[in-house]
Amino acid sequence: DIQMTQSPSTLSASVGDRVTITCRASQSISSWLAWYQQKPGKAPKLLIYKASSLESGVPSRFSGSGSGTEFTLTISSLQPDDFATYYCQQYNSYTWTFGQGTKVEIK
Amino acid sequence: EVQLVESGGGLVKPGGSLRLSCAASGFTFSSYSMNWVRQAPGKGLEWVSSISSSSSYIYYADSVKGRFTISRDNAKNSLYLQMNSLRAEDTAVYYCARTVAGTLEFDYWGQGTLVTVSS
Repeated sequence: DIQMTQSPSTLSASVGDRVTITCRASQSISSWLAWYQQKPGKAPKLLIYKASSLESGVPSRFSGSGSGTEFTLTISSLQPDDFATYYCQQYNSYTWTFGQGTKVEIK
Repeated sequence: EVQLVESGGGLVKPGGSLRLSCAASGFTFSSYSMNWVRQAPGKGLEWVSSISSSSSYIYYADSVKGRFTISRDNAKNSLYLQMNSLRAEDTAVYYCARTVAGTLEFDYWGQGTLVTVSS
């Protein structure tokens, strides 16, 4: 099975900061990677699909990049609404796998 | 508006069974693959099972294979998860989620239903 490893697990940042989260796959997944945002008590929300495509309605401060085994999610200027947990997900094979999550906290 | 509403969660004893349902509206349910994803308290997301639009293709995570059965009724716009031989480690919020055709990410999620396995 393909394993997904996110780093860091927790990130402390201030409003206006540029934030980068990394996700590594245990084997190549081409560009079959998505990023989700989850707030406490809520369902995940799709942000990015196919590694770098922005989901409709998602602010342009969110961007994704990478292919193969290494991927990044970048928030160009962190806003108060962005404090949440972020998950990557691979879907290269028919056993979808999530990363363990990165919690973005207020510094 | 796309809506997914889960139901059927609750408290069950180890070894027991439970059937979850997900009622879909606001889109052509029969055209989309669907999924169950779970989240144990304070933990991350875990994909559980997927079913194609016509039920021709079904996939399970190893952790539930042989115990859980996914199914759907396109006439009723409903997705199901039959959970048997439940264990304490199955305790989680269970979400249903829609698969985007062609690229396979999950674009809409329900609000989740809590399953607690405890004696």
